[in-house]
Amino acid sequence: AQKITQTQPGMFVQEKEAVTLDCTYDTSDPSYGLFWYKQPSSGEMIFLIYQGSYDQQNATEGRYSLNFQKARKSANLVISASQLGDSAMYFCAMRETSNFGNEKLTFGTGTRLTIIP
Amino acid sequence: NAGVTQTPKFQVLKTGQSMTLQCAQDMNHNSMYWYRQDPGMGLRLIYYSASEGTTDKGEVPNGYNVSRLNKREFSLRLESAAPSQTSVYFCASSEPLSGGLPLGTQYFGPGTRLTVL
Repeated sequence: AQKITQTQPGMFVQEKEAVTLDCTYDTSDPSYGLFWYKQPSSGEMIFLIYQGSYDQQNATEGRYSLNFQKARKSANLVISASQLGDSAMYFCAMRETSNFGNEKLTFGTGTRLTIIP
Repeated sequence: NAGVTQTPKFQVLKTGQSMTLQCAQDMNHNSMYWYRQDPGMGLRLIYYSASEGTTDKGEVPNGYNVSRLNKREFSLRLESAAPSQTSVYFCASSEPLSGGLPLGTQYFGPGTRLTVL
């Protein structure tokens, strides 16, 4: 079974509109973390935002916020007032506690977001 | 402070050839990772190293070997390249006890685009 599911392969959004990128996850570990990364066309992976499983409030970082619904196992990324520079691939990832103390990430398949002027 | 560096940036191999992808980080991180990225499949973990001297298999280790040469360097070797190994390869590092950052935040190198003919 997929641990991280991103059901939107691609999205087109008008500039200045808000956009929600979906992410659902599956884990039995009570302690986990959810990450969103951005990959622009240049190829690098950029960390955007993080939500811990025990965090009481939804994470926010500037125009990015994470709509965390623990019971539904979803961690959607919301980008407010989208800009042309937001056009990129977006990946949701989950960290579960491993036996070795390192923190492996499992990635979803990504959503390609295109902002239309 | 270069972060995570990878060499080479691009490589074309013939089936059966061998090569080593190099990765180095200057952030004094304990954990390092190798991923491959294929269209529609997100990033999949090949191998990881929780600390100097230890390595372990990820989701797709077949056809690869790794060496954690020291704390800074983590190399990925293809002994006999196959067309199925055509992909973009990313190296990443993280510090399980990173101060001030979400636990497990991974920093990525710029990637190596490998084509096997």
